[in-house]
Amino acid sequence: TQLLEQSPQFLSIQEGENLTVYCNSSSVFSSLQWYRQEPGEGPVLLVTVVTGGEVKKLKRLTFQFGDARKDSSLHITAAQPGDTGLYLCAGSKDAGNMLTFGGGTRLMVKP
Amino acid sequence: NAGVTQTPKFRVLKTGQSMTLLCAQDMNHEYMYWYRQDPGMGLRLIHYSVGEGTTAKGEVPDGYNVSRLKKQNFLLGLESAAPSQTSVYFCASVPTGGAAEAFFGQGTRLTVV
Repeated sequence: TQLLEQSPQFLSIQEGENLTVYCNSSSVFSSLQWYRQEPGEGPVLLVTVVTGGEVKKLKRLTFQFGDARKDSSLHITAAQPGDTGLYLCAGSKDAGNMLTFGGGTRLMVKP
Repeated sequence: NAGVTQTPKFRVLKTGQSMTLLCAQDMNHEYMYWYRQDPGMGLRLIHYSVGEGTTAKGEVPDGYNVSRLKKQNFLLGLESAAPSQTSVYFCASVPTGGAAEAFFGQGTRLTVV
């Protein structure tokens, strides 16, 4: 069982649709991050959230950190084929020594 | 800027062979991590280091050893490779702990036959 559970594992949608990806845990995290990974590449950071209830926006992407700092969500508005990829949440429980990842959500946006 | 460099990029091993994967970073980062990623999965932490001369176990450390003799290098060793260790291995470096961004290498694709 992973410390961070992501859902859904797979998502295939049409261009223009909205979607939400979830990252849940029973543990409290000092911070949560979202990464995106393209095939054959390492993950690249999208955003970091550190305060419970925090909401951050990155163009069509909206990230939220749960009030209790145990969960996070990523919402994409009007998805585009360029959003296709593997989305990973990652967190540090304490001062940040151990950075652990969720199982990932593989998103495919069809034109 | 090189960032995080992993060598080799590809390797095929026979069961029982040993090998060392090298991760080098030129950003003077304190923290370094080794992960494995199996097909369609997220990253699982193998070992990590919070500074030169220190190492610690992650989520799946069995069958692997690491060393951080120099701040810029983090080595991952497989003493006796098994088919279950077939995976893509990623190294990451982070300036400090907490909310700092992790920078990843391009990965090493290892196949054990």
